[in-house]
Amino acid sequence: KQEVTQIPAALSVPEGENLVLNCSFTDSAIYNLQWFRQDPGKGLTSLLLIQSSQREQTSGRLNASLDKSSGRSTLYIAASQPGDSATYLCAVLIQGAQKLVFGQGTRLTINP
Amino acid sequence: GAVVSQHPSRVICKSGTSVKIECRSLDFQATTMFWYRQFPKQSLMLMATSNEGSKATYEQGVEKDKFLINHASLTLSTLTVTSAHPEDSSFYICSGGRGSDTQYFGPGTRLTVL
Repeated sequence: KQEVTQIPAALSVPEGENLVLNCSFTDSAIYNLQWFRQDPGKGLTSLLLIQSSQREQTSGRLNASLDKSSGRSTLYIAASQPGDSATYLCAVLIQGAQKLVFGQGTRLTINP
Repeated sequence: GAVVSQHPSRVICKSGTSVKIECRSLDFQATTMFWYRQFPKQSLMLMATSNEGSKATYEQGVEKDKFLINHASLTLSTLTVTSAHPEDSSFYICSGGRGSDTQYFGPGTRLTVL
């Protein structure tokens, strides 16, 4: 059974810092991995999607990497801003099943 | 493109009543729709997967007679929580898929059962 773990559960940093969020998964048979942002009481916003054959994806200040063999992904946020405060979720799409399995999320707070 | 809406965004109901939540894909045809539940400060848990015109596939531990899912068209799926109880209070999120690798998420519905 696929399990996704995110560390840390919560993170608070001053504005302007670069930071890394971690995601690990137990079964490397994934179709892709996706990072989402969720604001309190809201739905999900897709940030980056990495196909299983890819190593990384970049969008603006965000960079996500994928090491499928070791079951790990990182989300790097450069020059953090208070508007980046949210919960960040990673999810893997299980091969053949079209099912997304989510991690518990990292609650990020950027202090002005 | 690829927008998914949910209605209502919030609903409060009395224990024992049934509540219907709609999920619509506004600008694409969702061959598959997914329903998730999210308890406070927890992650999303997949409840069921539905394909248009066929019965939903429920995840282990999800009561199919309690959570009725209908996917009557390529743009609409409904989740009905029957005989709701306070423990059913949660955030329900749907998503629509049009291929094998991408799901587009709705904004969620907050259900509170008194």
